[in-house]
Amino acid sequence: GAGVSQTPSNKVTEKGKYVELRCDPISGHTALYWYRQSLGQGPEFLIYFQGTGAADDSGLPNDRFFAVRPEGSVSTLKIQRTERGDSAVYLCASSALSGSDTQYFGPGTRLTVL
Amino acid sequence: QQQVKQSPQSLIVQKGGISIINCAYENTAFDYFPWYQQFPGKGPALLIAIRPDVSEKKEGRFTISFNKSAKQFSLHIMDSQPGDSATYFCAASMLDGFQKLVFGTGTRLLVSP
Repeated sequence: GAGVSQTPSNKVTEKGKYVELRCDPISGHTALYWYRQSLGQGPEFLIYFQGTGAADDSGLPNDRFFAVRPEGSVSTLKIQRTERGDSAVYLCASSALSGSDTQYFGPGTRLTVL
Repeated sequence: QQQVKQSPQSLIVQKGGISIINCAYENTAFDYFPWYQQFPGKGPALLIAIRPDVSEKKEGRFTISFNKSAKQFSLHIMDSQPGDSATYFCAASMLDGFQKLVFGTGTRLLVSP
């Protein structure tokens, strides 16, 4: 079946602009995660959704970052007033039923802030 | 604060050899230790995982060894193949509610033909 998909695959923006990154989880998966992977580093946790609600957003670096999952499926990560330091690959993962199940990662969105 | 330290940063192994990657963690509350494999342009994919109630887990050519007292765990890839060339990440989490994975910095493995 289809895996986790993320769009766009690449996004180039200018400093100060607003961006939205989309994640389509595996159908039926209720748990959804966002991670950020900087060059040469492992992924870093940003936020976790169980259903429609953000159960843990402790990894969001500041209030410029926000994520939603209004219908418990597709999620959007929103970044306001982008900074060059936001440049990274943003990964989405989903898992079935409960958060303790295996996380399946999407290919990521490579964000470049000029 | 880096909670999972991974070494080496890069590794070159000849085809048929054994690849060994090591990780150490600090948080004794961690109780789930997965290894992920990542190919260029792809997201990480779960390779194998272990809970601290066992000291070793083997799946095919991949083995995790776990030392709870030393707070260390390692991945062994037996009979390494060129197709194993990828970046490997160890991770750790608590399974209380959900997997808030803390990843190591990754090991870039190259298996030479």
